[in-house]
Amino acid sequence: GDSVTQMEGPVTLSEEAFLTINCTYTATGYPSLFWYVQYPGEGLQLLLKATKADDKGSNKGFEATYRKETTSFHLEKGSVQVSDSAVYFCALSDPPNDYKLSFGAGTTVTVRA
Amino acid sequence: DGGITQSPKYLFRKEGQNVTLSCEQNLNHDAMYWYRQDPGQGLRLIYYSQIVNDFQKGDIAEGYSVSREKKESFPLTVTSAQKNPTAFYLCASHSANSPLHFGNGTRLTVT
Repeated sequence: GDSVTQMEGPVTLSEEAFLTINCTYTATGYPSLFWYVQYPGEGLQLLLKATKADDKGSNKGFEATYRKETTSFHLEKGSVQVSDSAVYFCALSDPPNDYKLSFGAGTTVTVRA
Repeated sequence: DGGITQSPKYLFRKEGQNVTLSCEQNLNHDAMYWYRQDPGQGLRLIYYSQIVNDFQKGDIAEGYSVSREKKESFPLTVTSAQKNPTAFYLCASHSANSPLHFGNGTRLTVT
C-alpha cells in the first residue's frame, strides 16, 4: 500500500539556519505530494504541493521538489524564523485526485532565537 | 470567513460513554473527512463522506460512527467500543480542485 516516511524529529535549530526535512514515499501509481504544517493547538494547513515529477512546490520560503527517481519530496527552507516552529507532515494522494491522504508521522521543528 | 468549525476544543469523558464530536463547514465542500492524530503516528483516516447521506470507512473505523444528513455537517461519534479513544481528532473537507482544508481539532480525553 501507499506510505510516507519522514525523518524523525524533533529538530531544533537557531534562527536563520537552513532546514531540511526528508520525506520518501511508496505508491502504486503516480501520486500528488504535499507538505502540511501544524502550529501548536491548531489543525493542519497546506504549505505546498506538487502534482507531477520534477514539479517544485514553494510557499513562505519553503520549497520541495517531486523526485520520482528517488521517490522523495524533501522540504527545505534557507533561513528559518522562530515563527516556523511547528509540526510538518509529508503526505501523498494516490491516485492524484483522491483526497484520502496518507500522512507521514510528522516532524517537530523548534527554532530558537 | 469560510472555514471548518470543530467543537468543543477539549472534551473529557468517562470510559464506557459514547461521545459525539461536532464538525461544521461553510465552505460548500462536498467531501468531508475525520482523521485521528496520535503522537508519533501522523494522521489516520477514520471515516469520509463524498456526498450527503453517504459515507465510507477509512483505515481505522472500528469503534466510531458518523452521519452526513446535511452537506455542512459531519459529526463523529466515538463509541464505548473504541479501545483507545484518547486522541486529537481532526475534521477536514474539500471540493474539486481545492486542497484539503482542516479544522482546528478536538482533543478528547477518556478516563
